[in-house]
Amino acid sequence: EDQVTQSPEALRLQEGESSSLNCSYTVSGLRGLFWYRQDPGKGPEFLFTLYSAGEEKEKERLKATLTKKESFLHITAPKPEDSATYLCAVHNYGQNFVFGPGTRLSVLP
Amino acid sequence: ETGVTQSPTHLIKTRGQQVTLRCSSQSGHNTVSWYQQALGQGPQFIFQYYREEENGRGNFPPRFSGLQFPNYSSELNVNALELDDSALYLCASYLAGGELFFGEGSRLTVL
Repeated sequence: EDQVTQSPEALRLQEGESSSLNCSYTVSGLRGLFWYRQDPGKGPEFLFTLYSAGEEKEKERLKATLTKKESFLHITAPKPEDSATYLCAVHNYGQNFVFGPGTRLSVLP
Repeated sequence: ETGVTQSPTHLIKTRGQQVTLRCSSQSGHNTVSWYQQALGQGPQFIFQYYREEENGRGNFPPRFSGLQFPNYSSELNVNALELDDSALYLCASYLAGGELFFGEGSRLTVL
């Protein structure tokens, strides 16, 4: 059974304090790994798709990387507006997306 | 702005009642999927429709059912509501090989 775990469950950072979020996965066949941002009471917002080990993508203060077993979301010099829950998901060849439980990020001014 | 709209945004039901949630997908996206997200959890896959046929289902009982219509709209029906059905229900559409585009969700409270 495909599984996605994320760590830490919650993370509090001071503004400007860089850190990384982890997504570990087991999947029968990986079509893609996705990162989403979700604000309270809202639907998830797409951030990145990674398709193969070694791939990296960047957007503003965020950078996502992928290995064969895990992905990292690096946050450089975060701002309070980066506070949200970050979700990782894998898309398998059964056409399903399997989501992790998310990491709740709080960035304090 | 994802082009996916859901209604209603909030609703309250009592145990045993039935509910229908609606979704209008992004134009051209022929695949729609529904997810249940309990508070503090990640979205859990309920089922998926491709060209009006169900082509994938998660670990949810048959009282969760759905439909997809030719105009890219879809609905999720839940019968015999239970307290544990209280959650945010998310609709998402996508084109094969792409990412999911989510709506803002329907918050269901079962009393």
